[in-house]
Amino acid sequence: AQTVTQSQPEMSVQEAETVTLSCTYDTSENNYYLFWYKQPPSRQMILVIRQEAYKQQNATENRFSVNFQKAAKSFSLKISDSQLGDTAMYFCAFMKLSVGQGAQKLVFGQGTRLTINP
Amino acid sequence: EAEVAQSPRYKITEKSQAVAFWCDPISGHATLYWYRQILGQGPELLVQFQDESVVDDSQLPKDRFSAERLKGVDSTLKIQPAELGDSAMYLCASSLYIYDWASLNSYEQYFGPGTRLTVT
Repeated sequence: AQTVTQSQPEMSVQEAETVTLSCTYDTSENNYYLFWYKQPPSRQMILVIRQEAYKQQNATENRFSVNFQKAAKSFSLKISDSQLGDTAMYFCAFMKLSVGQGAQKLVFGQGTRLTINP
Repeated sequence: EAEVAQSPRYKITEKSQAVAFWCDPISGHATLYWYRQILGQGPELLVQFQDESVVDDSQLPKDRFSAERLKGVDSTLKIQPAELGDSAMYLCASSLYIYDWASLNSYEQYFGPGTRLTVT
């Protein structure tokens, strides 16, 4: 079974600062994807960024980037030039791919509550 | 922009009562997921459908929970009888298809706003 661990329950930074959220995972699988989801207060969960495990290059999406270390099973999220609208719960998630079974469920970490202060 | 719809948004019920949640996925999405998110934790899968068939219900407490997706479109999740420990957010998500190896876009899961259940 796969597990995802987010060791920072809460983080707080000032607007415009850079912040890094940590995530580690445990799996024996070789084919999988990793995701960061954002859940703003009282709003639905949305995808922030994704990473295919077979790709060595780290994914980037505007102010969001990841540091994917496959051997260390680490997948951190960096938010640059943080904005008030980045305030949310952030979840790291793992998805296994199986031949014949296709994409599987998302396995989520416990989440990190990020607050951006003005 | 197409969205996953869920109703009701909030539900308060007494323990031992029956409760049902409804989800309408994005049009054309073959795969539908129900997740349960206990306050302060990450979501956990309850059941996954591919069209009208159950793909994974290994974590669904089948003595009290049931889920159906009769026509392969919308879905209903039922709890009977509800227990205090069932208080949580119930999230529905959908994705286009799970067997298209060529496109990660087919796996991406889109979430609805959730149903917040409180059992008293």
